[in-house]
Amino acid sequence: GAVVSQHPSRVICKSGTSVKIECRSLDFQATTMFWYRQFPKQSLMLMATSNEGSKATYEQGVEKDKFLINHASLTLSTLTVTSAHPEDSSFYICSARDVSASGNQFFGPGTRLTVL
Amino acid sequence: GDSVTQMEGPVTLSEEAFLTINCTYTATGYPSLFWYVQYPGEGLQLLLKATKADDKGSNKGFEATYRKETTSFHLEKGSVQVSDSAVYFCALSGAGANSKLTFGKGITLSVRP
Repeated sequence: GAVVSQHPSRVICKSGTSVKIECRSLDFQATTMFWYRQFPKQSLMLMATSNEGSKATYEQGVEKDKFLINHASLTLSTLTVTSAHPEDSSFYICSARDVSASGNQFFGPGTRLTVL
Repeated sequence: GDSVTQMEGPVTLSEEAFLTINCTYTATGYPSLFWYVQYPGEGLQLLLKATKADDKGSNKGFEATYRKETTSFHLEKGSVQVSDSAVYFCALSGAGANSKLTFGKGITLSVRP
């Protein structure tokens, strides 16, 4: 099946620093990628929808200046958490939608961010 | 707005036991319904889906039937295995190519030998 990778798988950073998370579709092209956040024992909450070559669409309550999303190619989207704070500590998951007729969404393994 | 409600977990079963994981939804129109599975250390994988009422999705011995009258999509398996231990998410999406997935909270299944 289609594979989506995320890098890094886990990261620990100091408060006030910025962290970039990459999401890649390895064997298919994705015009649309999604970024989710998952708290312990909670559901996946959609943060933003990223479309290749255009600005991301953010969900209500998500600060676009804090969570910068770039979708520069059909296989790569990045999420940058700027000026991270301990409350940003979470599990971040991306998914990519195949441009083919199937339109299926494939998920990355997630990135565990811990802000000290 | 759209929402998905899953039964509270975790669930622990013995191998070969029968599994039911309840899922109900609230949505406008006619959503598509999904079950995703997340094995330890891996990303979410689509387990099965159904796109219209009375459709039955099935995969790896798991089944779920789209019940519009009860707005449910319960997941069942007749005989679970230790390898089925994972987190299971029920989800829905609206019509259209750009529709978003709305997830339930997920439920952890542990199967003991």
